[in-house]
Formats: sequence, structure tokens, C-alpha cells
Amino acid sequence: GAGVSQTPSNKVTEKGKYVELRCDPISGHTALYWYRQSLGQGPEFLIYFQGTGAADDSGLPNDRFFAVRPEGSVSTLKIQRTERGDSAVYLCASSLNDARTDTQYFGPGTRLTVL
Amino acid sequence: AQTVTQSQPEMSVQEAETVTLSCTYDTSESNYYLFWYKQPPSRQMILVIRQEAYKQQNATENRFSVNFQKAAKSFSLKISDSQLGDTAMYFCAFISTSGSRLTFGEGTQLTVNP
Repeated sequence: GAGVSQTPSNKVTEKGKYVELRCDPISGHTALYWYRQSLGQGPEFLIYFQGTGAADDSGLPNDRFFAVRPEGSVSTLKIQRTERGDSAVYLCASSLNDARTDTQYFGPGTRLTVL
Repeated sequence: AQTVTQSQPEMSVQEAETVTLSCTYDTSESNYYLFWYKQPPSRQMILVIRQEAYKQQNATENRFSVNFQKAAKSFSLKISDSQLGDTAMYFCAFISTSGSRLTFGEGTQLTVNP
């Protein structure tokens, strides 16, 4: 079946603008995660959804970042008033059920560039 | 808090040879999972192998195997018969059974030379 998909693949925006990044998880996966990967580093956790609710949002860096998953499937990561430091690859992952025991499968990421 | 350390930023190996990538971690948890992910230039993070901490036997997936030393908190990846397609960034990752987030190391860039 299809893997995790993310759109857009690349996004270039100007400082101060609003952006939305979309993640479509593997069908039937109830758990969804967002990570951010800066150049030359490993991914860092942002937020974890179990179903429609954010079970752990402690990785969001500040209140400019927000994510939703209204129907328990597709998720959108929203960034307000973008800053140059937000430039990174944003990775989405999903797992079947329990985040603690089920393997996370990753999408190809969205490369965000803030000019 | 858990930390994962990969002390080899870059490694290279000749095609068909064997290479070992190192990873150490720090945790106070007793039960957890460890992973190796591969990230080629396409950015897609691909699972290579997974190890459950309570299992003594080292995990193996075809040409990929791990050496899991729980007391030493070490989790190295051995790639046998290296292939050109193995060229990628390799990340070691940890997740506690009491948590939900993967913690990644800094990565090791592996280049397989013809």
C-alpha cells in the first residue's frame, strides 16, 4: 500500500508569512508524528497525535507552531510569522497504534526555506 | 532525558566489504526500542533494523545486523557485503516504552565506493 505522503515537497516563503504543511499517513495508522530536521542534524520531535488529539505537543518550539488532525487521518502543521530559523526539513511519520511499541514510518519530508 | 550519540560523522567502505557504525545512548529506562534508519539524498527515512531492549538476541535483517550491548548502552550496526545503494546517512534512534517520541543521533554519512 501507499506510504506516508507529504505536500508540498518544497516550500519557499518570505519572513513573516504563514505556511501550512500537509501529511497523509499510511491508511489505518492511528498515530502520527511531526519532526523537524535542520541541516546536518538528526530529526527532532515536534508533536504526536493519537487519533484526532495531540497526545504530546511538548516539542513545539513556540506558539507560532500549531498542528491539527481533525478527522484522525491527514494532519496539517501550521507555522505563523515564519522566521529564517524555521528553515528545515519537516518530516511526518505514522505508526499503526501505540507509539511506544509500533515502528514509525516516515514520509519524504517538506523542505521549508524562509527567505 | 534520553540522548543518542553517533561519534562517526563520516565513514567510507569499499563495495562488498563490511562496515560497522557505532551508536551509544543514555537512559534510565529499563525497557525501550532501538532503531537504525537510513536516509538517502531523497530524504526518505527508511527503517533498516529494530531491536527490543528486553531481547538478548541481536536483530538481523539480511545484510544488516546489530551488536546490542545493554549494559554498555551500545548499539552498533554492521553492514555486510556493502552495496553502492547503501550510500546514505544512517541515524540511530531510541524510544522508551513510556514515551512516544523517537530521539535521534546526529547521523553517520556512509559512502560505499566502487
